[in-house]
Amino acid sequence: GAGVSQSPSNKVTEKGKDVELRCDPISGHTALYWYRQSLGQGLEFLIYFQGNSAPDKSGLPSDRFSAERTGGSVSTLTIQRTQQEDSAVYLCASSVKRGAGTEAFFGQGTRLTVV
Amino acid sequence: GENVEQHPSTLSVQEGDSAVIKCTYSDSASNYFPWYKQELGKRPQLIIDIRSNVGEKKDQRIAVTLNKTAKHFSLHITETQPEDSAVYFCAASKGGSSASKIIFGSGTRLSIRP
Repeated sequence: GAGVSQSPSNKVTEKGKDVELRCDPISGHTALYWYRQSLGQGLEFLIYFQGNSAPDKSGLPSDRFSAERTGGSVSTLTIQRTQQEDSAVYLCASSVKRGAGTEAFFGQGTRLTVV
Repeated sequence: GENVEQHPSTLSVQEGDSAVIKCTYSDSASNYFPWYKQELGKRPQLIIDIRSNVGEKKDQRIAVTLNKTAKHFSLHITETQPEDSAVYFCAASKGGSSASKIIFGSGTRLSIRP
């Protein structure tokens, strides 16, 4: 039924606070991605989960960023001690094998503003 | 690791003209190449894709071409209209028994001038 769902849709936080962003992927999708998109910019890869494999964390910009995916479904992206440069839209996507390839479905994003 | 490069980063064309966006990929094992369109304030959505066993695919005003030897693929939009204004992302992935990691290009902001 439903597509990829992210919450909250908007988050305003004070500099130095921690935030948690949630992603509910499409049921049955084994792969899940987090991206960051600053205003007018492209998709900055953050982290990739695939089934039970160790996540690909190569895109996380600093140790203030972490993510987990519990039970192979819901994922949470945590940003500790937020900074103003963390302000962006955080997009989650889940993907499914489609024929010979893979199709990604994106959530609507969480707009994070650090003041 | 796998890398996808996309050009140009911005493109402005007169309404009714054609637009071309080009991408190159580094991993020769890639065999699936989707294109996503992101309208202002919305999420990226798949608009067309091509697999490595074909060289060209068309869907109304949109066509994609693939040159596996050169590891190039392109998006062509003909008779552009205002609603084509958006950011376009190319991507590449490999086949396998399960969903493989998708690598996205950096995006092209397409503006259609009236």
